[in-house]
Amino acid sequence: AQSVAQPEDQVKVAEGNPLTVKCTYSVSGNPYLFWYVQYPNRGLQFLLKYITGDNLVKGSYGFEAEFNKSQTSFHLKKPSALVSDSALYFCAVRVFTGGGNKLTFGTGTQLKVEL
Amino acid sequence: EAGVTQFPSHSVIEKGQTVTLRCDPISGHDNLYWYRRVMGKEIKFLLHFVKESKQDESGMPNNRFLAERTGGTYSTLKVQPAELEDSGVYFCASSQVLQRGRAEAFFGQGTRLTVV
Repeated sequence: AQSVAQPEDQVKVAEGNPLTVKCTYSVSGNPYLFWYVQYPNRGLQFLLKYITGDNLVKGSYGFEAEFNKSQTSFHLKKPSALVSDSALYFCAVRVFTGGGNKLTFGTGTQLKVEL
Repeated sequence: EAGVTQFPSHSVIEKGQTVTLRCDPISGHDNLYWYRRVMGKEIKFLLHFVKESKQDESGMPNNRFLAERTGGTYSTLKVQPAELEDSGVYFCASSQVLQRGRAEAFFGQGTRLTVV
C-alpha cells in the first residue's frame, strides 16, 4: 500500500525568507508525485508534479520540488515566500497500476507567511 | 475553459436524510474521481470513473454511498441515509487519460457536507 507523510501540521516563515514544506512517501514501484494547494474557500489547485527525468521540478507561483529517491522525499520549496502563499498544501503520490489512477494524499501542511 | 464544477458548495442535512452531490468535470476528461476529507485528516479516495464505467470503487465507505456517471459526463454522489460521520468536504476531480496515468487531476472547489 502506498502512503504519504507530511510531518508538519503547520509551517511559519517570514515573508522574503525561503520556505520548505516536507513530504515523504512510501510506495512499491515508481512513484508519480504531486503537490496541490488549497487557498481559503477554494478547491485544490495543482502546483507541480514529478513523473520522470530531472529530480528538480518547477511549478506555478515560483514553487519547486526536489525528488529524492534514496530518501523517498519530495519536499516543496520556494526561495522567497510571500504572504499570499499562505494556504494549505497537500502532497500526493500515485502509482500507476494499469487500472487505477487514484492519488494518495498526506494530511496537509498549513503554511503561514508573516510580514 | 471551465474547470471542475461542484454543486452545492455547502449542504447541511439531518441524520437519516438523503443528499446528492453533483460534479461536472472538465470537458473531454474521461477520468473522474471522488475524494473526501474529514476534518483535519488526509484527503481520501472514494472512487474512479473512466467515462461511465466504475474503474475503482475501493474507497467507498459502505453501501449508503452511491455514485453514478450516466453518459460519461457529469457525476452524482448520493448518500442515503446520511450519518454524522459522513460530514466532511467532498472533492471531485477529473483528468485526461494519458499514458500510465501521468496526467494531473484538476479538482473542484468541493462540497462541504455537514450532517447534524
